[in-house]
Amino acid sequence: GESVGLHLPTLSVQEGDNSIINCAYSNSASDYFIWYKQESGKGPQFIIDIRSNMDKRQGQRVTVLLNKTVKHLSLQIAATQPGDSAVYFCAEGLQGAQKLVFGQGTRLTINP
Amino acid sequence: ETGVTQSPTHLIKTRGQQVTLRCSSQSGHNTVSWYQQALGQGPQFIFQYYREEENGRGNFPPRFSGLQFPNYSSELNVNALELDDSALYLCASSLGPVSLTNYGYTFGSGTRLTVV
Repeated sequence: GESVGLHLPTLSVQEGDNSIINCAYSNSASDYFIWYKQESGKGPQFIIDIRSNMDKRQGQRVTVLLNKTVKHLSLQIAATQPGDSAVYFCAEGLQGAQKLVFGQGTRLTINP
Repeated sequence: ETGVTQSPTHLIKTRGQQVTLRCSSQSGHNTVSWYQQALGQGPQFIFQYYREEENGRGNFPPRFSGLQFPNYSSELNVNALELDDSALYLCASSLGPVSLTNYGYTFGSGTRLTVV
């Protein structure tokens, strides 16, 4: 079925280290990708997005990389902090479609 | 500026019953999308409402229906509840249908529905 998959369901890193969360998307026609952060009891919160005509985009402490050849998306978080602990979802969209297709999510845990 | 608010936050219903969930969109947003998030899964698109009409629907049966009101708030109705309907129901508002915007969703915190 349609889905955006993730390689790792859980990721545990030391505070201060960099984190990399990976995602494999299924629709080669998707032209827009978003990373969301979801904390317990809250809705998804936008982190960063990237269009298919780009391969890298940077935000504050976060970088998204897009490899369309292998349909792979990654989120890099620099110098992870305890507040980064959450479930991270990638989502893909397509111009002209109303929906976003989300992956299963990766739980990121920060160890002190 | 207020965010997206959903009510109720938690709800328990019996199989076969009907439920109505409510969503108030963020100020200035005219489009509402509903998603179902099963435990341990990513959100799944149910449908979107724009200008008080359904503007796109995911793979959900007709017993999932919705409304959008002139003030852009929205309701999600589910009839003949099944155990598998137990999930977190998320509402997201945006300015315009996502086909015209950068998917500038703002999500609410959701309604946790448990069907027993």
